[in-house]
Amino acid sequence: SYELTQPPSVSVSPGQTATITCSGDKLGDKYVCWYQLKPGQSPVLVIYQDSKRPSGIPERFSGSNSGNTATLTISGTQAIDEADYYCQAWDSSVVFGGGTKLTVL
Amino acid sequence: EVQLVESGGGLVQPGGSLRLSCAASGFTFSSYWMSWVRRAPGKGLEWVANIKQDGSEKYYVDSVKGRFTISRDNAKNSLYLQMNSLRAEDTAVYYCARGRYCSGGSCYYFDYWGQGTLVTVSS
Repeated sequence: SYELTQPPSVSVSPGQTATITCSGDKLGDKYVCWYQLKPGQSPVLVIYQDSKRPSGIPERFSGSNSGNTATLTISGTQAIDEADYYCQAWDSSVVFGGGTKLTVL
Repeated sequence: EVQLVESGGGLVQPGGSLRLSCAASGFTFSSYWMSWVRRAPGKGLEWVANIKQDGSEKYYVDSVKGRFTISRDNAKNSLYLQMNSLRAEDTAVYYCARGRYCSGGSCYYFDYWGQGTLVTVSS
């Protein structure tokens, strides 16, 4: 079965750029999306089809996907961005990465 | 505004059954694939099941095949998950999510999610 690998945690200082990676075999041949999960809240789609932002998602969120790695980039990271982030792809069924806890400190 | 509200979670003994419901509003429910996704305590997201707009196609993760049944009632704008033969490893927050296929079926993702309902399987 297809697997997606994310770093368990990423730390960033406020105002800096956070980069969260998602790796998988020939992942660049697939579309990747990203979700933000905060405790007690509904998960939120922040990026779909590699780099598209749903309406209402701030421009500081961006995505890319090439080779074996997809990347979620948060520019000018804010305290409110602290959350768990999951990548997801489609390989005949839905596949999630293990999730990355983003800490803003 | 799209809203998805889950209900029906709770504590159940191993081997028991539970039926989750998801009430949808703010969009034409009958026009979308719908899904269940779960998150076990301390673990990541796991897709559970999908159902086509008219209920004619259903897909499940291997670990729940033969035990869980996804269904929908488009007249009531509702999605369901019947869970039988529950196991401790089914303990999780269960989310209802609206599914979207990319053009040509090249991808599938979830553009709206509910807040989830907690299912605890324990004696």
